[in-house]
Amino acid sequence: SQQGEEDPQALSIQEGENATMNCSYKTSINNLQWYRQNSGRGLVHLILIRSNEREKHSGRLRVTLDTSKKSSSLLITASRAADTASYFCARENSGNTPLVFGKGTRLSVIA
Amino acid sequence: DAGVIQSPRHEVTEMGQEVTLRCKPISGHNSLFWYRQTMMRGLELLIYFNNNVPIDDSGMPEDRFSAKMPNASFSTLKIQPSEPRDSAVYFCASSFQENTGELFFGEGSRLTVL
Repeated sequence: SQQGEEDPQALSIQEGENATMNCSYKTSINNLQWYRQNSGRGLVHLILIRSNEREKHSGRLRVTLDTSKKSSSLLITASRAADTASYFCARENSGNTPLVFGKGTRLSVIA
Repeated sequence: DAGVIQSPRHEVTEMGQEVTLRCKPISGHNSLFWYRQTMMRGLELLIYFNNNVPIDDSGMPEDRFSAKMPNASFSTLKIQPSEPRDSAVYFCASSFQENTGELFFGEGSRLTVL
């Protein structure tokens, strides 16, 4: 079964605004990854943050990880209409088990 | 590289029929995963293979589901007999396990069982 969830389930913002999505989990992790899924397509890896890291950046993406709170956030700055998609966090739990995905956040960026 | 290739992209079948979904992982990847995605349950891991060997099939719903990986470049997921509740998008993903564990997904096979 899946552990943890993303919130919000859905988010609608105006182009140019920042979008923040959160992910919570319940067990110790090796790393946490964020994926993006456009409608009708497969998931695409965005960024990975290891359990000993607190923040990572990739272009307009910023990911934070708080292992004490068992939570992560994905920030997309200066959003564009093309960022409209579903975003999933996936946890690699300790023990090198396969990734466990949340149910995702559906982001709509309105031009 | 062409990425993970899945076929068919869409399948519509009637209840009771056999369904076979196919996957070609990225060359050189040694782990392969089958996931099922539905609105209600999200993305669920069905089974995964390391070096062509099934490691964990605890996510396979029931005996109607089976998966094989006869070689490093091909895997199948079979449903026999299919039922309407099997309707979902089935994803295959591959990775090189010794790296970060980042998964590369195919475009999925959308299955509709009438």
